[in-house]
Amino acid sequence: QSALTQPASVSGSPGQSITISCTGTSGDVGTYKLVSWYQQHPGKAPKLIIYEVTKRPSGVSNRFSASKSGNTASLTISGLQAEDEAEYHCCSYAGSSTFNVFGTGTKVTVL
Amino acid sequence: QWHLQESGPGLVKPSETLSLTCSVSDGSVSSTNFYWGWIRQPPGKGLEWIGSVYYSGKTFYNPSLKSRLTISVDTSKNQFSLKLSSVTAADTAMYYCAREYYGSSGSFDYWGQGTLVTVSS
Repeated sequence: QSALTQPASVSGSPGQSITISCTGTSGDVGTYKLVSWYQQHPGKAPKLIIYEVTKRPSGVSNRFSASKSGNTASLTISGLQAEDEAEYHCCSYAGSSTFNVFGTGTKVTVL
Repeated sequence: QWHLQESGPGLVKPSETLSLTCSVSDGSVSSTNFYWGWIRQPPGKGLEWIGSVYYSGKTFYNPSLKSRLTISVDTSKNQFSLKLSSVTAADTAMYYCAREYYGSSGSFDYWGQGTLVTVSS
C-alpha cells in the first residue's frame, strides 16, 4: 500500500486561505469516510485536527475545515496565522487488509 | 486528560528486536471505546502506521511489517507494547504510541511524546 500523495509544501500570507490536497485511490480515500488530518510542529507529536473527513475534535479552531471528492481529500486553513506553520499529514482507512495509510506530509509556510 | 508515555531502548543493533512499551495514565486501556496504536516517523519523513491493538488483544498490523511485528496489551499494567524483530537501519525512527477511536480507524486523538529509536551497531 503506497502512501497517500500530498504536495511537499504550501505557503500563504497571514489572513489568506490555503488548501492542502491528499490523493489516494478508490481503495482508500475514494471509498471510506475515514480520512483524518494531523498538524505537527517541529519536535512535537502530531495533533488530530480533523477526523471522519469533516469533523473537528473539541478545541480545534474552526479555521480548519476539510472535505473529500472522489479519491482526493482536502484540508483548508482559513485566516492563516503564524502558528499554523507546521507539517500536515492526512490519513485514510484502506480496508480490512491494509487498515491505515498516511500521506506523504505537507510543510505549510506562513510568509 | 489521558497521558501516554513510550519507554524502551534508544539504540538497537541490526538483526535484533526492538521493544517498546506505552504506559497509559488517567484512563484505562480496558476501555471499549478505543484501540491503542503505534506510529513511527523516520527522520525527516512522513508518518507510518505500524499497528493497533484492542483491549481484548485483537490486533491490526501494517501488512509491510506484519511478519516482524507483535503488538500486545497488558490490562493489569495499563500498558501496551510493540516488538519488531530483525531490525535494520530502515527501522530507525521516532516511535509514537497513540489512542485511536474505536470504529473510526485512523483517528488518533492522544499521543505520547515519542521516543527515538536508532538501529546501529
